[in-house]
Amino acid sequence: DSGVTQTPKHLITATGQRVTLRCSPRSGDLSVYWYQQSLDQGLQFLIQYYNGEERAKGNILERFSAQQFPDLHSELNLSSLELGDSALYFCASSVDHSHEQYFGPGTRLTVT
Amino acid sequence: DQQVKQNSPSLSVQEGRISILNCDYTNSMFDYFLWYKKYPAEGPTFLISISSIKDKNEDGRFTVFLNKSAKHLSLHIVPSQPGDSAVYFCAASEYGGSQGNLIFGKGTKLSVKP
Repeated sequence: DSGVTQTPKHLITATGQRVTLRCSPRSGDLSVYWYQQSLDQGLQFLIQYYNGEERAKGNILERFSAQQFPDLHSELNLSSLELGDSALYFCASSVDHSHEQYFGPGTRLTVT
Repeated sequence: DQQVKQNSPSLSVQEGRISILNCDYTNSMFDYFLWYKKYPAEGPTFLISISSIKDKNEDGRFTVFLNKSAKHLSLHIVPSQPGDSAVYFCAASEYGGSQGNLIFGKGTKLSVKP
């Protein structure tokens, strides 16, 4: 158990809908990262937050957004969903940007 | 363009022998490297890391070697055990930079046969 929790574990929704994925980092970790794992692309970095502030952006679509709250949990919002958004979404946390990241169990999103 | 490459999608090894997983990178700004293990339906689990000021780091049965001039790193598992069967990801980041996001390779599936 990495100490990072993610909910829900599975999510099935229709095209055009909006969903919110939630992540709670390990106790004491200030950085939260979101990654997407699809079959053909491997693990792709989406976005990083550090102590409530956006720190870095990767291959994140404009339809996707995230935030980190004062209690350090984070949410990833995915809107106008398309079939191609079906993937595993992982959250990771670290003490700061220079330490190893610990991953949650992931949320499997299926868009039908 | 892939900045971190794991050219072997799979590797099969006999129990008790050495497993060697390889990883190449192209970005010379990378100075921190990590290996993760992943079982199906679980998140990646951190295994071992190495910074560019070292060329070797050991943790129990796991050793990571870094060859900066060749932009190559490898993970050695000795002795290999059936429980080591998983997908192994190599990852890299700019340790000293302001961004700590990891760039992952596509993984190597290791099968350790009893």
